[in-house]
Amino acid sequence: DIQVTQSPSSLSASVGDGVTISCRTGQPIDSYLHWYQQKPGEAPKLLIDGASNLQSGVPSRFSGRGSGTDFTLTITSLQPEDFAMYFCQQTFDIPYTFGQGTKLEIK
Amino acid sequence: QVQLQESGPGLVKPSQTLSLTCTVSGGSIRNGDYYWSWIRQPPGKVLEWIGNIYFIGNTNYNPSLRSRLTISIDTSKNQFSLNLTSVTAADTAIYYCARDFAGCSDVWGKGATVTVSS
Repeated sequence: DIQVTQSPSSLSASVGDGVTISCRTGQPIDSYLHWYQQKPGEAPKLLIDGASNLQSGVPSRFSGRGSGTDFTLTITSLQPEDFAMYFCQQTFDIPYTFGQGTKLEIK
Repeated sequence: QVQLQESGPGLVKPSQTLSLTCTVSGGSIRNGDYYWSWIRQPPGKVLEWIGNIYFIGNTNYNPSLRSRLTISIDTSKNQFSLNLTSVTAADTAIYYCARDFAGCSDVWGKGATVTVSS
């Protein structure tokens, strides 16, 4: 299985701050890396596919970068609704695997 | 607007079979652009991809579950299903069905909580 290491596991920030979450894979996966947001009691929501393609309706303060083994999700100017869990997922090879998640909390 | 809804028992006894169905509405499960997936989330743990199916019946399974897993599809009912045999407490999780486009899951069901307990 392709290991996906996500960091940090938790992050505290204030409204208006910018944050970056990282995912590193155990082998190169081209751009087959996707980012999800999950709020308590809800299903994950796809934010970014293919490392950098923002889904329709997702605010432009979210952005993704990377290729190969190193990827980042950046959120600029945090809004109250952004405080949630974030997961990355690789779909380069089966089984698809997820990162451990990053809990973004209000400072 | 495509929507997915999981259904099935919320409690399963150890060693029995966990069966869930996902009903797709607002679109056809025969759409060849998509695969249809199952993903689970044990309490406090990482999301785990279970497997997926194409409308003609081609499947991909997580090797860790392959010996116990069957995913099937019923295009006449716009549904796909999950059967997981010989369950243990480790199979307790929220089970999500999802639509896969180019590998990623772009539409998810709300999730079904399944507890394995006697």
